[in-house]
Amino acid sequence: ETGVTQTPRHLVMGMTNKKSLKCEQHLGHNAMYWYKQSAKKPLELMFVYNFKEQTENNSVPSRFSPECPNSSHLFLHLHTLQPEDSALYLCASSQPSWGHGNYGYTFGSGTRLTVV
Amino acid sequence: DAKTTQPPSMDCAEGRAANLPCNHSTISGNEYVYWYRQIHSQGPQYIIHGLKNNETNEMASLIITEDRKSSTLILPHATLRDTAVYYCIVRDYGGSQGNLIFGKGTKLSVKP
Repeated sequence: ETGVTQTPRHLVMGMTNKKSLKCEQHLGHNAMYWYKQSAKKPLELMFVYNFKEQTENNSVPSRFSPECPNSSHLFLHLHTLQPEDSALYLCASSQPSWGHGNYGYTFGSGTRLTVV
Repeated sequence: DAKTTQPPSMDCAEGRAANLPCNHSTISGNEYVYWYRQIHSQGPQYIIHGLKNNETNEMASLIITEDRKSSTLILPHATLRDTAVYYCIVRDYGGSQGNLIFGKGTKLSVKP
């Protein structure tokens, strides 16, 4: 266990479904991140939150909607996804993203999403 | 875009040292070098980071050249469990450029 917990580990959803991914950290970090890793591609940064405020959105389609109710929890709400959105979705946390405090990011184990 | 260049793959014999190179010729004075690794289908794991001095911890050593344009991650006694993709990342200190941006990394295969 890394201290960053993601649920569910695996998710299969239809293109008309609505689902949510959850991330939780108990490391005292104030920044949280969503990354996407498609097959044979590098990790892509999707969203960044610092102190519950979204500070970065890397041109992510609106069918992905993040939510950060507090510094310990991060959600990714999914709706009307496409098959090409199938990927490993990784959550990470750190001290604020503008500092080098605690040795960088701690990642969760990810949610393997399959869109059918 | 990633600011580093790494070989796509390397092999290493079990028990031997694994030396993973990274070029970062455009690194600026306020950028650190970070190394992470990702074992198949897991989240990336922090290994080590440095600015200009060589660094060592319980996992690895990081050697940074004097001009800071390249670095080498050294796993002193590689085991089969070190088989993973290793990412070298340069990261700005301060401001909005501090996010971790991953490239393709080096796939290290440790063989018996």
